Amino acid sequence: EAGVAQSPRYKIIEKRQSVAFWCNPISGHATLYWYQQILGQGPKLLIQFQNNGVVDDSQLPKDRFSAERLKGVDSTLKIQPAKLEDSAVYLCASSLRGTSGSNEQYFGPGTRLTVT
Amino acid sequence: TQLLEQSPQFLSIQEGENLTVYCNSSSVFSSLQWYRQEPGEGPVLLVTVVTGGEVKKLKRLTFQFGDARKDSSLHITAAQPGDTGLYLCAGAGGGGADGLTFGKGTHLIIQP
Repeated sequence: EAGVAQSPRYKIIEKRQSVAFWCNPISGHATLYWYQQILGQGPKLLIQFQNNGVVDDSQLPKDRFSAERLKGVDSTLKIQPAKLEDSAVYLCASSLRGTSGSNEQYFGPGTRLTVT
Repeated sequence: TQLLEQSPQFLSIQEGENLTVYCNSSSVFSSLQWYRQEPGEGPVLLVTVVTGGEVKKLKRLTFQFGDARKDSSLHITAAQPGDTGLYLCAGAGGGGADGLTFGKGTHLIIQP
């Protein structure tokens, strides 16, 4: 079974530029998450999708970040304009809700963003 | 806001030694997960604990969920260099919005 795919793996941009990240979840996984992981910290949830609807975007800086999952499969995360503090690894994860009620998420390799 | 505190933040030990990593919170979680992350990769799920007091074993790793579902521990027996990595605990609040709250992680180095 193929895992979560993300691209690009690395991106370097200047502040005030725009950038977009792409994620393809595990086939059949209805729930998709974007996390931001700053160096030395654990991942922080940005947004959660259930199919093509947003479930939780309370921690998404909506003045500069946007995300969509139009057809309920692939998703894109965009930053416009980028700031220096946006330098981080952006992780995509997907989940297939199990009957146990637990939430087991499977992560992609991440996109490492450097803003200069 | 739910917070997870992990300790220690860094740990470097010799191969063959035992160690325990702790994950504590003032909040109750519906489930708690442990992940291991290597440089340049995403976190990989090790285990999920759901029931208060639950103990799960994965080869040399033993995971325990506190009775009140606010804390957890990871114990590694006879650590090996291949255990080196960043260990993250993450809690899920339950319900539809179930994005994980992660701790800052424990950086573990096992020296040969």
